[in-house]
Amino acid sequence: EPEVTQTPSHQVTQMGQEVILRCVPISNHLYFYWYRQILGQKVEFLVSFYNNEISEKSEIFDDQFSVERPDGSNFTLKIRSTKLEDSAMYFCASSVRQGANYGYTFGSGTRLTVV
Amino acid sequence: AQTVTQSQPEMSVQEAETVTLSCTYDTSESNYYLFWYKQPPSRQMILVIRQEAYKQQNATENRFSVNFQKAAKSFSLKISDSQLGDTAMYFCAFILNNNDMRFGAGTRLTVKP
Repeated sequence: EPEVTQTPSHQVTQMGQEVILRCVPISNHLYFYWYRQILGQKVEFLVSFYNNEISEKSEIFDDQFSVERPDGSNFTLKIRSTKLEDSAMYFCASSVRQGANYGYTFGSGTRLTVV
Repeated sequence: AQTVTQSQPEMSVQEAETVTLSCTYDTSESNYYLFWYKQPPSRQMILVIRQEAYKQQNATENRFSVNFQKAAKSFSLKISDSQLGDTAMYFCAFILNNNDMRFGAGTRLTVKP
């Protein structure tokens, strides 16, 4: 069964450093998403991406965050200057069409630890 | 704003018994979709079941079924014949047409042997 692949599974970074989280969505999916889950808390929407541009973003997704689909297969989330409160699981998801009946396929997540 | 509420932070059930997890949501739209996701200790998000609001029939997937009450805006998940592998966080999620998925706070389910 097709999978959404995320790398790395765990990343530790120093506060203030830039991190790039990588995702390979399912090949025929057109919509891509990033979600965040702070330990013990709910899954929060960050951003959705379609046709090489952001289609929606939450208030969490401030100027420190950016997304890119650099080569037609990878979908990346960059955090420019990490803060302690950025420590969380980050989930990438993709869907054939935007939400609705199709649901999302989630990756296994990247655990980001900012120290 | 669309919100999803899961009022049970934690629940437990004996193996082989049945348990029901509650979820309510708020929207003024008439057409939307509801999902239950399971998150085991591995932290992966796994789709358990989905329901389309325009369908009156409750969705069923093997031991998992929902009780969808559209007027009450309620979408509960029933797990029959609970198994140890069902131990996980369960998230109720909601999505409008052409909108993005929003999650409830989750219910931690423990299946006891």
